[in-house]
Amino acid sequence: GAVVSQHPSWVICKSGTSVKIECRSLDFQATTMFWYRQFPKQSLMLMATSNEGSKATYEQGVEKDKFLINHASLTLSTLTVTSAHPEDSSFYICSGSPGDYGYTFGSGTRLTVV
Amino acid sequence: GQQLNQSPQSMFIQEGEDVSMNCTSSSIFNTWLWYKQEPGEGPVLLIALYKAGELTSNGRLTAQFGITRKDSFLNISASIPSDVGIYFCAGQLSANAGKSTFGDGTTLTVKP
Repeated sequence: GAVVSQHPSWVICKSGTSVKIECRSLDFQATTMFWYRQFPKQSLMLMATSNEGSKATYEQGVEKDKFLINHASLTLSTLTVTSAHPEDSSFYICSGSPGDYGYTFGSGTRLTVV
Repeated sequence: GQQLNQSPQSMFIQEGEDVSMNCTSSSIFNTWLWYKQEPGEGPVLLIALYKAGELTSNGRLTAQFGITRKDSFLNISASIPSDVGIYFCAGQLSANAGKSTFGDGTTLTVKP
């Protein structure tokens, strides 16, 4: 089946530093990938739509300069949290579609900013 | 924006019991999806529904796409301890592209 590999699975960083999260579609090409944020015991909140070869589309209220998205190839999308602060601590998840209905999710990245 | 109301918020059941959860929306979706998420992991797709009225099974799981296209339910029969997790419904306007709107999830606890 379709697999999305997400790395790292967890990261702890100091406040003010930047963190990059990678999502790779291992056995399919993804022209579009989605980035979600999830707080404990809450649902997934869509942050942005990553489009291969073009700019990402951000949801209302999401700072595009803080959450930089790059989708340089059909198998790789990255999310960079710039100048991270403790309030950015969360579980970040990406997803892509192999072309069938429904999406395959990465295993998520637990970001802790100290 | 579109919102999905998922209920119940949580369930505590005995092993062997059947489970039912549902999602309703104020607007129409053309695709309904049901996912299960375990702690520290991303959601895993359980069932996808593409047509109003469609009833689909995946092992002990059965889901239906409501006729009005504004609701869906998921049933789990004869629950087992490994069914524990958070179940999310999600709606999509487009069948094979586009973003999903997620419900708030149903947390299922199964007591052996």
